[in-house]
Amino acid sequence: AQSVAQPEDQVNVAEGNPLTVKCTYSVSGNPYLFWYVQYPNRGLQFLLKYITGDNLVKGSYGFEAEFNKSQTSFHLKKPSALVSDSALYFCAVRVMDSSYKLIFGSGTRLLVRP
Amino acid sequence: DTEVTQTPKHLVMGMTNKKSLKCEQHMGHRAMYWYKQKAKKPPELMFVYSYEKLSINESVPSRFSPECPNSSLLNLHLHALQPEDSALYLCASSQGTQQGNEQFFGPGTRLTVL
Repeated sequence: AQSVAQPEDQVNVAEGNPLTVKCTYSVSGNPYLFWYVQYPNRGLQFLLKYITGDNLVKGSYGFEAEFNKSQTSFHLKKPSALVSDSALYFCAVRVMDSSYKLIFGSGTRLLVRP
Repeated sequence: DTEVTQTPKHLVMGMTNKKSLKCEQHMGHRAMYWYKQKAKKPPELMFVYSYEKLSINESVPSRFSPECPNSSLLNLHLHALQPEDSALYLCASSQGTQQGNEQFFGPGTRLTVL
């Protein structure tokens, strides 16, 4: 079965410090991985995706993610956190069958303190 | 136009009411989706339309009835809902249903069933 796990319910970081939000996946075949962010009472916003190629993927708002095949991980990173980055972050993997469904992780709440 | 719009933003309905949620996109996307999201949980897929045809129904109760009148519009008709159906209903679209296509989400409709 294909799945994605976000082991941390919440990540706390001080403004200006680097941040990492963790994601691990389990898929058969090559993974298609996505990160989304959700602000309160809003829909999800696409941040970045990994399909193939370079293991370091750059996305919106200064975020990047590193694909690591041996560790089956796709951690989201940002060199310098902003208070406005505080939100709920979802990792997702595309199901490798004819449905092409997205499976979301449980979500990680990022809290950036001033 | 790079956004997905949803109306209404908020909806309160009784268990005997009939109401509809509407979703619209003008990005030329050929796949559209309905998700249900409970508080602090990831979105759960309900329906997928591909080229205006229903391609996935995730065993959703018949009190939810989707409709895709054309490639830009997606409706969700609601009838005889239960209080446990209260949630944020998200619409999304993508260029197609292929693995690499990211989904773009609308802001959602906050539904409360009394």
